[in-house]
Amino acid sequence: GAVVSQHPSWVICKSGTSVKIECRSLDFQATTMFWYRQFPKQSLMLMATSNEGSKATYEQGVEKDKFLINHASLTLSTLTVTSAHPEDSSFYICSAMTGLRMSYGYTFGSGTRLTVV
Amino acid sequence: GEDVEQSLFLSVREGDSSVINCTYTDSSSTYLYWYKQEPGAGLQLLTYIFSNMDMKQDQRLTVLLNKKDKHLSLRIADTQTGDSAIYFCAESIRDGGFKTIFGAGTRLFVKA
Repeated sequence: GAVVSQHPSWVICKSGTSVKIECRSLDFQATTMFWYRQFPKQSLMLMATSNEGSKATYEQGVEKDKFLINHASLTLSTLTVTSAHPEDSSFYICSAMTGLRMSYGYTFGSGTRLTVV
Repeated sequence: GEDVEQSLFLSVREGDSSVINCTYTDSSSTYLYWYKQEPGAGLQLLTYIFSNMDMKQDQRLTVLLNKKDKHLSLRIADTQTGDSAIYFCAESIRDGGFKTIFGAGTRLFVKA
């Protein structure tokens, strides 16, 4: 089946530094990937839609200069959290639509737990 | 606005049936999904239903959709301890393109 690999699984960084999270579709091409953020005991919050070869579409309230998204190929999207602060600590999950039909749903990565100290 | 609501917690005994309920507000839903999330992991698609269907059965899983009341449920028959996880209801809506809205998740606890 379709697999989305997300790396790293967890990362601890100091305030002010930047962290890059990778999301790869391993056995299918993903023209569109999605980046979510999840706070403890809360649902996924869509941050942005990443489109291959074009600029990402950010949801209202998400700072595009802080959360840089690059989708340079059909199998890789990256999210860079720039100048991280403790309030950026969260669980970040990427997903890609599996196939051309919405009934296939979305395949999710295993998530990245970011802790900013 | 777009909103998906579900109860936050459900506890059942092993072997019993579990029913997780979800309500949504956007009538432009096309597909509705149930996802399972185990601790520290991403989401796994369990099943889905197209918005013009009433019911879908897939092995131990039964999805019921009441489009008039915008109510979706997931029934897990013969619940096992391995079913303990968080279950998310989600709807895909038209918003320019398509967007998926998730509920807050129902934590299912199965007692042996």
